[in-house]
Amino acid sequence: AIQLTQSPSSLSASVGDRVTITCRASQGISSALAWYQQKPGKAPKLLIYDASSLESGVPSRFSGSGSGTDFTLTISSLQPEDFATYYCQQFNSYPQTFGQGTKLEIK
Amino acid sequence: QVQLQESGPGLVKPSETLSLTCAVSGYSISSGYYWGWIRQPPGKGLEWIGSIYHSGSTYYNPSLKSRVTISVDTSKNQFSLKLSSVTAADTAVYYCARHHPRGWFDPWGQGTLVTVSS
Repeated sequence: AIQLTQSPSSLSASVGDRVTITCRASQGISSALAWYQQKPGKAPKLLIYDASSLESGVPSRFSGSGSGTDFTLTISSLQPEDFATYYCQQFNSYPQTFGQGTKLEIK
Repeated sequence: QVQLQESGPGLVKPSETLSLTCAVSGYSISSGYYWGWIRQPPGKGLEWIGSIYHSGSTYYNPSLKSRVTISVDTSKNQFSLKLSSVTAADTAVYYCARHHPRGWFDPWGQGTLVTVSS
């Protein structure tokens, strides 16, 4: 199975900061990557698919980039509601796998 | 608006079978898409369990394949998960989700916690 490694595992930042989270795949997955946001006690919410396509209704401060093995999720200007855990997921091959998560906390 | 809702016992004894159902509203399962199950042990990450197409074709995570059965009931617009021979390691929040043919999951149900304990 393809392994996804996210970095950092946790991150402290302030409202208004620009934040970047990285997801690295153990082998090339083209652009078959999605990003999700999960708040405590809630289900994950799709943010980005196909590495860089913004899901409808998701604020434009979220963006994704990358292909092959290295991917990034960027939040251009953190808002209070963005503090959550973020997961990447690859769907290039079965079994589909998720990264271990990055917890974004308020500084 | 598509909505999914999991239901089933919150407590299962070791060695028994976990059974959950996901009711879909706002979209007919027969119209297409895959429908999947994902789980998340307390405080841990996400694990895809398996998915089913409305025709009944299934795809399972090899790590769980020997114990998993996913079925669909288009007449009730719902799909179900059975996980046999459970242990404490199967304690998790279980989510159902619509599984896009390309591979991402959206939307998700709210999740249901299943605890394996005697």
